[in-house]
Amino acid sequence: QVQLVQSGAEVKKPGASMKVSCKASGYIFTDFYIHWVRQARGQGLEWVGRINPNSGDTKFAQKFQGRVTMTRDTSISIVYLELSRLQFDDTALYYCLRGAGTTFDSWGQGTLVTVSS
Amino acid sequence: QSALTQPASVSGSPGQSITISCTGTNSDVGAYNYVSWFQHHPGKAPKLMIYDVINRPSGVSNRFSGSKSGNTASLTISGLQAEDEADYYCSSYTTINTLDWVFGGGTKLTVL
Repeated sequence: QVQLVQSGAEVKKPGASMKVSCKASGYIFTDFYIHWVRQARGQGLEWVGRINPNSGDTKFAQKFQGRVTMTRDTSISIVYLELSRLQFDDTALYYCLRGAGTTFDSWGQGTLVTVSS
Repeated sequence: QSALTQPASVSGSPGQSITISCTGTNSDVGAYNYVSWFQHHPGKAPKLMIYDVINRPSGVSNRFSGSKSGNTASLTISGLQAEDEADYYCSSYTTINTLDWVFGGGTKLTVL
């Protein structure tokens, strides 16, 4: 069955960078986009961006441009989300999602990233 | 503040029906039939319940149904069961700014 398994929780200092991974299994990795969304405590979900695992093409929400990177390693079916120059309000639960055309049909379990001094 | 507006909470008794609304704009919910609903039990991965406004993935109970009118989409759960208690989120494709997708703030469903 389709599974997205994310890396474990991280604690980072302001100004540092985070790197979260999302390992896909149960399907052909290059056939589906991977999206990332995040949810700060008490807030709704926010779309960060997406990557085409086949081509590596990416698209990001404007508020993250300049400090977000998404990459993939097709040999091990993993997508990475990197966010640099972290601030306190980047503290959130980060999810990877499999894009299935007009929806998202599978989610990772979430990775908590805490930015704390 | 989320792009799509949902009520913070709804409640109902077992066997009853409830409806959760998701209000957007004519650049997202009103423009595209690409509204999805997700059920999230704490500690678990969210689960797709409805896609393309009205469609249920295989395995999702027919107690869950979706609809849309103008800029507002709705999720209706009939015959409420205790296991339905969860957070529910809507999403929509959008052409606002550089976004592809927007989400709601989530609705906490309590089964009394």
